[in-house]
Amino acid sequence: QQQVKQSPQSLIVQKGGISIINCAYENTAFDYFPWYQQFPGKGPALLIAIRPDVSEKKEGRFTISFNKSAKQFSLHIMDSQPGDSATYFCAASSWGNTPLVFGKGTRLSVIA
Amino acid sequence: EAQVTQNPRYLITVTGKKLTVTCSQNMNHEYMSWYRQDPGLGLRQIYYSMNVEVTDKGDVPEGYKVSRKEKRNFPLILESPSPNQTSLYFCASRQGANRGSYNEQFFGPGTRLTVL
Repeated sequence: QQQVKQSPQSLIVQKGGISIINCAYENTAFDYFPWYQQFPGKGPALLIAIRPDVSEKKEGRFTISFNKSAKQFSLHIMDSQPGDSATYFCAASSWGNTPLVFGKGTRLSVIA
Repeated sequence: EAQVTQNPRYLITVTGKKLTVTCSQNMNHEYMSWYRQDPGLGLRQIYYSMNVEVTDKGDVPEGYKVSRKEKRNFPLILESPSPNQTSLYFCASRQGANRGSYNEQFFGPGTRLTVL
């Protein structure tokens, strides 16, 4: 049973455009939603995270939008750059020493 | 520098030959885990450990063993590797929940394993 569903699997965006990656979760106990960025040959690294007490969190060009009632959250990358080309993973967990549950990832390619 | 290290980074082996992938972190983290990454399947957790001598199964534990004798080390053991364990493996660590609510999980650089 996949607890976090991520889409699309791959995404091609023009430089300067907006990249949008969506995730949906099933477990209502989840209350921490991070996004990880992975460059080829590297391990994933935390990009940005949100808790459900807010509907949006912005850090530079990266924004998480969160819809608690729909159990969905998304990553928006504004003014996408070729350097943003990477695989992005959404994840979710509940408080405590519970494992992070990851989506299957989205491979983003930003072309000039 | 705060980091998670893994060794080896690349390994080619044959079916049935026992191997160990080491993982070490220098951040005094309580929580450590192992993932495998396969195309189209994302990151799947193999085992995790909440502290020394405390380990638990993740989503895909079959064919793997772990141990946590020291806080900084969390080796992954394949007693009898098979070709379906060919994958990219990541070790990760984070502070335990008793240090705060949600803590960043740090990943190692990965170990690419090929089992022939």
